[in-house]
Amino acid sequence: DTGVSQDPRHKITKRGQNVTFRCDPISEHNRLYWYRQTLGQGPEFLTYFQNEAQLEKSRLLSDRFSAERPKGSFSTLEIQRTEQGDSAMYLCASRTIQGSFYGYTFGSGTRLTVV
Amino acid sequence: DQQVKQNSPSLSVQEGRISILNCDYTNSMFDYFLWYKKYPAEGPTFLISISSIKDKNEDGRFTVFLNKSAKHLSLHIVPSQPGDSAVYFCAASARIQGAQKLVFGQGTRLTINP
Repeated sequence: DTGVSQDPRHKITKRGQNVTFRCDPISEHNRLYWYRQTLGQGPEFLTYFQNEAQLEKSRLLSDRFSAERPKGSFSTLEIQRTEQGDSAMYLCASRTIQGSFYGYTFGSGTRLTVV
Repeated sequence: DQQVKQNSPSLSVQEGRISILNCDYTNSMFDYFLWYKKYPAEGPTFLISISSIKDKNEDGRFTVFLNKSAKHLSLHIVPSQPGDSAVYFCAASARIQGAQKLVFGQGTRLTINP
């Protein structure tokens, strides 16, 4: 499978716990994006990487959120001290710098439920 | 502020008829528009796009129309098929910003009835 892979698919956690999600992009894609989708809304941009450099972060990304992309390959998104408002689908996408939007490929997402 | 709006949360169309999904935007910096289709438990998949220098783009059963003066775009699907039942997201981007991040609308759930 050469698509964008996200793990886990589902995560249920208690409020206050830390969670970490992983995204494996398409191997030749040097740009990686994280989006969040809440119920009844479209995906909202959180942050993006070009290779290992995190180049932009949305205001949605509070201090409790941190994203990394060591070595410019897979990426992790960590949420510390989770809150019920963090419950959402977290989507990862990747593309090449030169590519058109046709190459903007999303993973299936990680659904987080904070109880 | 909702820069991209899809005002119809749902749409029901009979199989074989035309489906028309609408989208409005407010940011005049947007110069590239896309439609994504999303099935449950899957990520959005790219459907069709249009650059702001065009007013129409067609790909098989799918046509996107752009009216820049009205800041409005629409997706036409004809003829509609049961497999088209999904949530459709309109998205926009300002390529001058470099990141090519997408701003999405809230989505429209399309149901095609046999």
